[in-house]
Amino acid sequence: GQNIDQPTEMTATEGAIVQINCTYQTSGFNGLFWYQQHAGEAPTFLSYNVLDGLEEKGRFSSFLSRSKGYSYLLLKELQMKDSASYLCAGLNSNYQLIWGAGTKLIIKP
Amino acid sequence: IAGITQAPTSQILAAGRRMTLRCTQDMRHNAMYWYRQDLGLGLRLIHYSNTAGTTGKGEVPDGYSVSRANTDDFPLTLASAVPSQTSVYFCASSDSLGANVLTFGAGSRLTVL
Repeated sequence: GQNIDQPTEMTATEGAIVQINCTYQTSGFNGLFWYQQHAGEAPTFLSYNVLDGLEEKGRFSSFLSRSKGYSYLLLKELQMKDSASYLCAGLNSNYQLIWGAGTKLIIKP
Repeated sequence: IAGITQAPTSQILAAGRRMTLRCTQDMRHNAMYWYRQDLGLGLRLIHYSNTAGTTGKGEVPDGYSVSRANTDDFPLTLASAVPSQTSVYFCASSDSLGANVLTFGAGSRLTVL
C-alpha cells in the first residue's frame, strides 16, 4: 500500500532548530512535497524534492533520500510564526499526491 | 489578488440535504482538485479535473459529484449529505496535473447533522 508517516506533534524553542521527518511508501515516485498549514488556514507550498540531497531556501531546508524512502524538513532560527502543521506528500507514478496526516509544530518562547 | 475563492466558508447542514460547495480560480490553471481534511488523516482527494470538460475520481469520490464547465469554476456537490461528510473541504488548483505546486483555497467547513 501507499503510506506517508510523520510525527503527530513536535515542540521546539524559539530561535532553535527543528527537524521534521517523513518516511514514504508510494507506487513509483515522482517527488516529495512539503506544505505549511497554519491553524484554520489553507496549506501553502514550502518545497519540492525529486533528486537526493538537500535543498535550502532561507531558514527552511528539505532533504530527500530516495533509497531510504525518507525526507526531512529542517527549520532554523525558529520564530513564533513557524507554529503550524507541516504536511509531507509523496507524488506517485500516476502523479497522484499521497498526503501524510501532518506534524503539528509548537514553538515555545 | 490572484487565487482561489471558496464559498461558503462554513455551513451547517441537515442530513439528506443537497449542498454545493463553490470554487473559483483566477489563475487560468488547467487542473483543479477537491480534497477533504479530517483530524488525524492526510488530505484525501475526492475528485479532480485536468482541464475544462473533464473530471476524474480521486480516493474518496462516493457521495460527491463535480463538474468543470469552464476553466475557472469547479463546484463540488453532495447530493444527499450524511454525517460522515462532516469535514473541511479544500479546493486547489495547479498549472497541470503532475509535479506542480498546488494553490489551495481557504477551505469550507461543513457540518452535517
